[in-house]
Amino acid sequence: GQQVMQIPQYQHVQEGEDFTTYCNSSTTLSNIQWYKQRPGGHPVFLIQLVKSGEVKKQKRLTFQFGEAKKNSSLHITATQTTDVGTYFCAGYGGYQKVTFGIGTKLQVIP
Amino acid sequence: NAGVTQTPKFQVLKTGQSMTLQCAQDMNHNSMYWYRQDPGMGLRLIYYSASEGTTDKGEVPNGYNVSRLNKREFSLRLESAAPSQTSVYFCASSRSLLQTRSYGYTFGSGTRLTVV
Repeated sequence: GQQVMQIPQYQHVQEGEDFTTYCNSSTTLSNIQWYKQRPGGHPVFLIQLVKSGEVKKQKRLTFQFGEAKKNSSLHITATQTTDVGTYFCAGYGGYQKVTFGIGTKLQVIP
Repeated sequence: NAGVTQTPKFQVLKTGQSMTLQCAQDMNHNSMYWYRQDPGMGLRLIYYSASEGTTDKGEVPNGYNVSRLNKREFSLRLESAAPSQTSVYFCASSRSLLQTRSYGYTFGSGTRLTVV
């Protein structure tokens, strides 16, 4: 079955440093989504990528979808304490199966 | 804008007790989902309803049942709670779930369930 691996599982950064989390799927994806979950909160949808090689930006966040549509990344430039939380990718390979990655927990040290 | 509303927010059950988690969305979404979240396990799909009138098993359906009462409401029932069902439960909805693409989920605020 479809598997979505996400790394790293944890990341501590100094405030102002950059951060990247990666997702790799065992199968080609139709689209991939990214979510953010603050501590004690619920996942919140950030963005969806659909096209091969697609790059989207939201302020300091840059999302990429690989050319083969099997991997994706989220990059945060100059992290802030408000970026703290767990970032999840969710890959869709068709057949009504959305698979979430395990998440990357980001801690930002002031 | 309420989005996805889940009740209750917290619950403590004794082993063997039953309960129903309620979920309602006001976004006219076709698809609804129930996930559980455990430390180190990410989000695991319990059941989903791609459209009103249909329900299907997800990754971890054992010990649960669901009802898609109408387009707005999707409930999750634990018939005989077990300690292994201690978890945080999230309901979510999305515009649709097609063969060729999915849409972003809107999650409820979660139910923190403890089974003792």
